[in-house]
Amino acid sequence: GQNIDQPTEMTATEGAIVQINCTYQTSGFNGLFWYQQHAGEAPTFLSYNVLDGLEEKGRFSSFLSRSKGYSYLLLKELQMKDSASYLCAVRPSGNTPLVFGKGTRLSVIA
Amino acid sequence: ETGVTQTPRHLVMGMTNKKSLKCEQHLGHNAMYWYKQSAKKPLELMFVYNFKEQTENNSVPSRFSPECPNSSHLFLHLHTLQPEDSALYLCASSPQTDNSPLHFGNGTRLTVT
Repeated sequence: GQNIDQPTEMTATEGAIVQINCTYQTSGFNGLFWYQQHAGEAPTFLSYNVLDGLEEKGRFSSFLSRSKGYSYLLLKELQMKDSASYLCAVRPSGNTPLVFGKGTRLSVIA
Repeated sequence: ETGVTQTPRHLVMGMTNKKSLKCEQHLGHNAMYWYKQSAKKPLELMFVYNFKEQTENNSVPSRFSPECPNSSHLFLHLHTLQPEDSALYLCASSPQTDNSPLHFGNGTRLTVT
């Protein structure tokens, strides 16, 4: 089977740094995605990793270790608008559909 | 504006009703998807269409019937639903069914009474 694990909820302070972890056990690996979803809105694409290492995009970075089946999303200089759910998704192989985790609800507090 | 528009945003229907959800994408994408999002559960893929052809049916009950008349439009026809079908139904599109990111609509919040 396919399994994606991420924490259910996290809370962090405005201006701080937060790391959201994602571990996966899938039949194969052909890429990992992070999406952000504000309440009542569409999930929006944040980042994509297929090779080991860190991908940086402004305040957001995503890291991948394929040997460990592990990724994290790092959010720096947190803002109140970063309060949202963050979804980790893995494509096991080729054109097989994405497998999503349950999402991590992040609350940013003053 | 996400480029993917879903209507209606909210729908309440009885178990004997028939209704349809509509999705339209203005991105020139060739692949379209229906996902179900329930509380405390992962996003569940329901159907995939690539160049108007259904390429994935993820063991979805027949009370959900998709239709893709062209690459820009996708429908989900609903009939004799159950209360457990209440969820957020998300439509998405992508250029191809490869590793290009999905573009989601805002979803239809469905309540079955």
